Amino acid sequence: EIVLTQSPGTLSLSPGERATLSCRASQSVSSTYLAWYQQKPGQAPRLLIYGASSRATGIPDRFSGSGSGTDFTLSISRLEPEDFAVYYCQQYGTSPQVTFGQGTRLDIK
Amino acid sequence: EVQVVESGGGLVQPGGSLRLSCAASGFTFSDFWMHWVRQAPGKGLVWVSRIAIDESSTTYADSVKGRFTISRDNAKNTLYLQMNSLRAEDTAVYYCARGADGCFDSWGQGTLVTVSS
Repeated sequence: EIVLTQSPGTLSLSPGERATLSCRASQSVSSTYLAWYQQKPGQAPRLLIYGASSRATGIPDRFSGSGSGTDFTLSISRLEPEDFAVYYCQQYGTSPQVTFGQGTRLDIK
Repeated sequence: EVQVVESGGGLVQPGGSLRLSCAASGFTFSDFWMHWVRQAPGKGLVWVSRIAIDESSTTYADSVKGRFTISRDNAKNTLYLQMNSLRAEDTAVYYCARGADGCFDSWGQGTLVTVSS
């Protein structure tokens, strides 16, 4: 099973700042099958990025994804108040198992 | 509008059974793989199971293999999860999610399953 490790566990930033979230895989992941989600308290996750770098429908362009192999990054260029949430990466590879990272909590500083 | 709505959660004793349903609308249900993902209180997301468009393939997380069964009725646009031999560690919000190109592009609001005596 591919293990995804997200860092940092918690990131405290102010609105307007740039956020950089990391997702590291225990073995190489196809970029086609690496996604990022945002989850707010009491809500379902929302797809942000798929294929490592493609924005889902309706996602603002301040969100961007990059990376390949075992290292992937979600960047938020200028934080808005509504961006403070928990973010998860997810892989769906050749193994039949689908795995998520443990999440990064983005807090208002 | 694409929508998936889960139902069937509740309180069940350890060793008991429960069947979850997920009603889909706003898209051609039979064109998409479907998944169940769960989230224990205060914890992260964990994938549970998936099913092919025609039920030809089903896959399970090791933690539920042999106890849970995923199925679908394309005529009713509905996904199911039959959960047997439930344990305390199965307590979670269960989400139905539409599969698309290796990700989950639509999620329901979730249904809470609590396993407790």
